[in-house]
Amino acid sequence: DQQVKQNSPSLSVQEGRISILNCDYTNSMFDYFLWYKKYPAEGPTFLISISSIKDKNEDGRFTVFLNKSAKHLSLHIVPSQPGDSAVYFCAASAYRQGAQKLVFGQGTRLTINP
Amino acid sequence: DSGVTQTPKHLITATGQRVTLRCSPRSGDLSVYWYQQSLDQGLQFLIHYYNGEERAKGNILERFSAQQFPDLHSELNLSSLELGDSALYFCASSVVNTNTEAFFGQGTRLTVV
Repeated sequence: DQQVKQNSPSLSVQEGRISILNCDYTNSMFDYFLWYKKYPAEGPTFLISISSIKDKNEDGRFTVFLNKSAKHLSLHIVPSQPGDSAVYFCAASAYRQGAQKLVFGQGTRLTINP
Repeated sequence: DSGVTQTPKHLITATGQRVTLRCSPRSGDLSVYWYQQSLDQGLQFLIHYYNGEERAKGNILERFSAQQFPDLHSELNLSSLELGDSALYFCASSVVNTNTEAFFGQGTRLTVV
């Protein structure tokens, strides 16, 4: 049961353009959403998050959009830079009864071409 | 550097053996999570500890167990190892037991031969 899905295993974008990574979730109990970036041989690094009470959160070149009715979120990177080439994981979180359930998607490999 | 330390970085062992993976969380973090990543797949949640107590279990096999000690470091024990257990095992920690970002260690790459 894949509660968090990233349907695009890979994405290739030209440097300077916008990168849009998508994520869908199925469980309405999730109320906090995160994006992580992962380079080879390293652990995932937290990038940006959004609470379910918001529909947009921006941090520099990174913006996360949340559409609760569609159970969909997206990460926009503008402008894309070569250093953004990495695997991006979407995660959904729910805190209930003293425990945080943090579920990750399969990841999308983003390649920024010069 | 996330502040989360995992040892060892690499581990090669034979089928049927038992190994222990260790995680030291960031200073002040009470929550520790363990995840498994196989073959460039997603991160599968295994288990969550908060201040020494088990709080949530994910897809953790009965052959696997974990604990969090009074000094808040955690160990993941994997026994009767099978070839399919070869994976990257990540530990993450977070500051409070609520919806928040978790910070990941660099992982332990386990290879079962």
